[in-house]
Amino acid sequence: QKEVEQNSGPLSVPEGAIASLNCTYSDRVSQSFFWYRQYSGKSPELIMSIYSNGDKEDGRFTAQLNKASQYVSLLIRDSQPSDSATYLCAVKNGNQFYFGTGTSLTVIP
Amino acid sequence: GAVVSQHPSWVICKSGTSVKIECRSLDFQATTMFWYRQFPKQSLMLMATSNEGSKATYEQGVEKDKFLINHASLTLSTLTVTSAHPEDSSFYICSARRGPGSSYEQYFGPGTRLTVT
Repeated sequence: QKEVEQNSGPLSVPEGAIASLNCTYSDRVSQSFFWYRQYSGKSPELIMSIYSNGDKEDGRFTAQLNKASQYVSLLIRDSQPSDSATYLCAVKNGNQFYFGTGTSLTVIP
Repeated sequence: GAVVSQHPSWVICKSGTSVKIECRSLDFQATTMFWYRQFPKQSLMLMATSNEGSKATYEQGVEKDKFLINHASLTLSTLTVTSAHPEDSSFYICSARRGPGSSYEQYFGPGTRLTVT
């Protein structure tokens, strides 16, 4: 079983809609969770981090963490074509970071 | 902010030569740096973890004698691809993690695209 699993997509949403990206992790003791955005040909960029259960909002982005169910999600409100990218979920467990394979998001104008 | 730079951003070399890639954290001290490789349309693959002042920890299947890592200071780590071959052509990305007591977030460099001819 992989440490971090994501649906590879592609996920397509119309401009202005809410994009929902999901991630599950296998190790119950994981404490830190991150979402990265990676444009094609570029390196990943940290967009959200979350450490406790519940929601964390930053602009159009909301990260949601449910440790009991071992999932973390990212919601993008009012999706824009510029949000089209691959979104990577990462989980820190001890000294190790584990990345999912990423979900490709396309926002259709 | 947390800025990580890499140099060079793009390098073409001949088969059999060695290439050194530098990774620097510009505005924070990074006790730990990571080196990743990414092939087109594939996910990040962790190659090794380096801690300042100690030997790097390599992931399974990564040849430590081929990919030499030196984490000489809290702001600089280097990856040397020795005797490069065309199959080593890839996008190499470093990331740096702030020290203890921080949020442990990783910040990525812009990547180095290596082409071996």
